[in-house]
Amino acid sequence: GQNIDQPTEMTATEGAIVQINCTYQTSGFNGLFWYQQHAGEAPTFLSYNVLDGLEEKGRFSSFLSRSKGYSYLLLKELQMKDSASYLCAVRGNTGGFKTIFGAGTRLFVKA
Amino acid sequence: DTGVSQDPRHKITKRGQNVTFRCDPISEHNRLYWYRQTLGQGPEFLTYFQNEAQLEKSRLLSDRFSAERPKGSFSTLEIQRTEQGDSAMYLCASSPPRGESYNEQFFGPGTRLTVL
Repeated sequence: GQNIDQPTEMTATEGAIVQINCTYQTSGFNGLFWYQQHAGEAPTFLSYNVLDGLEEKGRFSSFLSRSKGYSYLLLKELQMKDSASYLCAVRGNTGGFKTIFGAGTRLFVKA
Repeated sequence: DTGVSQDPRHKITKRGQNVTFRCDPISEHNRLYWYRQTLGQGPEFLTYFQNEAQLEKSRLLSDRFSAERPKGSFSTLEIQRTEQGDSAMYLCASSPPRGESYNEQFFGPGTRLTVL
């Protein structure tokens, strides 16, 4: 089966750093994704990891450990506009591009 | 490039009616996905097309749900005999065949379905 776990909610302070964790169990693996979704809007792509290690993109970084089935999204210098849901998603290796999303972590950034 | 578009944006229907949604992917994107999302949950995979071929689909699409992409461009998702549990946001996404954005899915604004 396939399962993705991430915390339901997190709260952090403007200017701080926050780490959102994701653990997954899948029957195959062909990449892990993080998407951002503001309330009432569609998800937007943040990052893609297929090899172990850290990928950095501006204020956002994403880490993957395939042996542990674990990833995290690191957000630095938090801004109020970062208040959103952060979705962890895993793509299997069935030959297609089926992507399974977690329920998302709602991040609240307070002043 | 106007992004992925979906039509209608909102649909209210009575239980038992059939509904059809349309998705127009970004031009030249050969991969197209349909998802369903309910409040507080992540998108739930429904089906995936590569060009006109439907390569993967969830078990949901073996019953009242069906999707097509006849010419490898726009796609339609039909729900027959709608039920109240079908009320959700239906999201479409597309991806390019190559390039820097190969692994990205570009989502449309969604069609919000309410079944009364």
